[in-house]
Amino acid sequence: EDQVTQSPEALRLQEGESSSLNCSYTVSGLRGLFWYRQDPGKGPEFLFTLYSAGEEKEKERLKATLTKKESFLHITAPKPEDSATYLCAVQAGNNFNKFYFGSGTKLNVKP
Amino acid sequence: NAGVTQTPKFRILKIGQSMTLQCTQDMNHNYMYWYRQDPGMGLKLIYYSVGAGITDKGEVPNGYNVSRSTTEDFPLRLELAAPSQTSVYFCASSAPEGRAGVGYGYTFGSGTRLTVV
Repeated sequence: EDQVTQSPEALRLQEGESSSLNCSYTVSGLRGLFWYRQDPGKGPEFLFTLYSAGEEKEKERLKATLTKKESFLHITAPKPEDSATYLCAVQAGNNFNKFYFGSGTKLNVKP
Repeated sequence: NAGVTQTPKFRILKIGQSMTLQCTQDMNHNYMYWYRQDPGMGLKLIYYSVGAGITDKGEVPNGYNVSRSTTEDFPLRLELAAPSQTSVYFCASSAPEGRAGVGYGYTFGSGTRLTVV
């Protein structure tokens, strides 16, 4: 069964304390993996797309990496404004029904 | 600002009532989607559309209907509301597929929080 699992469910960091969020997936025929940021009361905001194992993308303090079974979102020296829920999503095949979201990691960065 | 606009932001319905959630985008995106988000769960696809006049069911379509008469608008209709439809609903849009047939990242609206009592 196609599945996307994110861990941890919640993460509390001190400002400047680097860490990583995990998104593991079991889908057949991965076409792309997406990372989104969601602030409370708002819709998800697109961050990155990764297409194949070994690929990396960076944006400010965020760096996303992809292997054949999982993706990591590395947060370097986070700031309180990085506090949000981070969602990953996987596209398996060309069918839009084969697009699965994880349940997210809620990140809280304390000053 | 360009993007996806959803109305209303909040709504309380009584069991058995009906309503339409409105969604409009001004980015000329062909693809549009409706998702629901329940606490602790990933977003679930309700319906999607690849262009005006074309719609298809997603993972959880029961109890909902959609139409797509224009590129810009993609309303979601709830018929005979039930408590199980209490959720946050998001509309999203994207450009047609890009690299390697993979869809572009979605642009989401700010959501409609619906409570059925």
